[in-house]
Amino acid sequence: GAGVSQSPRYKVTKRGQDVALRCDPISGHVSLYWYRQALGQGPEFLTYFNYEAQQDKSGLPNDRFSAERPEGSISTLTIQRTEQRDSAMYRCASSETAQGALYEQYFGPGTRLTVT
Amino acid sequence: SQQGEEDPQALSIQEGENATMNCSYKTSINNLQWYRQNSGRGLVHLILIRSNEREKHSGRLRVTLDTSKKSSSLLITASRAADTASYFCATDAAGNKLTFGGGTRVLVKP
Repeated sequence: GAGVSQSPRYKVTKRGQDVALRCDPISGHVSLYWYRQALGQGPEFLTYFNYEAQQDKSGLPNDRFSAERPEGSISTLTIQRTEQRDSAMYRCASSETAQGALYEQYFGPGTRLTVT
Repeated sequence: SQQGEEDPQALSIQEGENATMNCSYKTSINNLQWYRQNSGRGLVHLILIRSNEREKHSGRLRVTLDTSKKSSSLLITASRAADTASYFCATDAAGNKLTFGGGTRVLVKP
């Protein structure tokens, strides 16, 4: 079946612009996670949802970052007024259950964001 | 900050040799997971070991967990060129979310 998909795969934007990154999880998966990964580092947790409810947003760096999952399926991570330091790979993962950290997570290919 | 720290940061071996990498973490966990990331691609789950388990096998992979030392090891036996990748450990210490280490970059030379 289809895995986790993310779009766009690459995004180049100018500083100060807003960007929206999309994640389409595996159908039926309850939890959805967003991570940010710098080059040569492991993924860093940003936020996660169970169904449509945002459960933890403690990893969002500041209030320019927000995420939603209005119908409990597709999720959007929005970065407002982008800055160069926001440049990174943004990854999405989904898991079958609400306890997504206790089970395997399925990762999407990521969106490479470059802020110029 | 990252909960898990992998050691070594990089490893270069010949095809057919075994590769061992370690992960240390700081606080109590329910489980520890290992993921692989090939160059330029997504992360793939390899194996999950729960806190009440000491050893687990999956194909050529062997994972151990020592909760008293807060450490885990991943052994890849009879390595192949296709095993060239970065390997990450991840723990659930901080609630219902995974915290990843910085990874071990493994190069398997043919």
